[in-house]
Amino acid sequence: RKEVEQDPGPFNVPEGATVAFNCTYSNSASQSFFWYRQDCRKEPKLLMSVYSSGNEDGRFTAQLNRASQYISLLIRDSKLSDSATYLCVVNIVDNFNKFYFGSGTKLNVKP
Amino acid sequence: DGGITQSPKYLFRKEGQNVTLSCEQNLNHDAMYWYRQDPGQGLRLIYYSQIVNDFQKGDIAEGYSVSREKKESFPLTVTSAQKNPTAFYLCATRKVNGETQYFGPGTRLLVL
Repeated sequence: RKEVEQDPGPFNVPEGATVAFNCTYSNSASQSFFWYRQDCRKEPKLLMSVYSSGNEDGRFTAQLNRASQYISLLIRDSKLSDSATYLCVVNIVDNFNKFYFGSGTKLNVKP
Repeated sequence: DGGITQSPKYLFRKEGQNVTLSCEQNLNHDAMYWYRQDPGQGLRLIYYSQIVNDFQKGDIAEGYSVSREKKESFPLTVTSAQKNPTAFYLCATRKVNGETQYFGPGTRLLVL
């Protein structure tokens, strides 16, 4: 079983739409959670960290449900520039910080 | 300019050849990581290092080797024992006690 699972998509949405991505993780010892954005043939870049209380950054809202081991990302008022692959990442601190990556959800925002 | 540099951007390997991918950082981060990404897949951990002269195998270390002689540098060698090396290789760093990883621009390795 994969440590982190995501729906690969693609999600094809019109500009201005609201879109939500989900992610589940298998290890209850996971301690930190993140969403990264990856453009085609580029490196991943941190979009936002995810906290139990939920957090918002402009049009982006992330939520964490530890009981269900579930992370979500909501994008409101989608822009063409939001088109990318969104990676869900969890961090397990055992004797070293190891990060586990989902395979990503692809978003295409159409005019 | 602070950041992580990886070179070369593209690298071609012939059969039976060892090649070395460079990763350099001037962020003064202690931890460094190497990942491999195949199309449509998540990043998989090859090796990681928390301090100079110490490194650990990740989930897919077979056919790879690393060194960490300086804090700033964490080169990855893809040996001839790695039978399917074509992939996008990403180097990442993290501050000690930091939660977040930062990535270099990556090296795309292709087999001739």
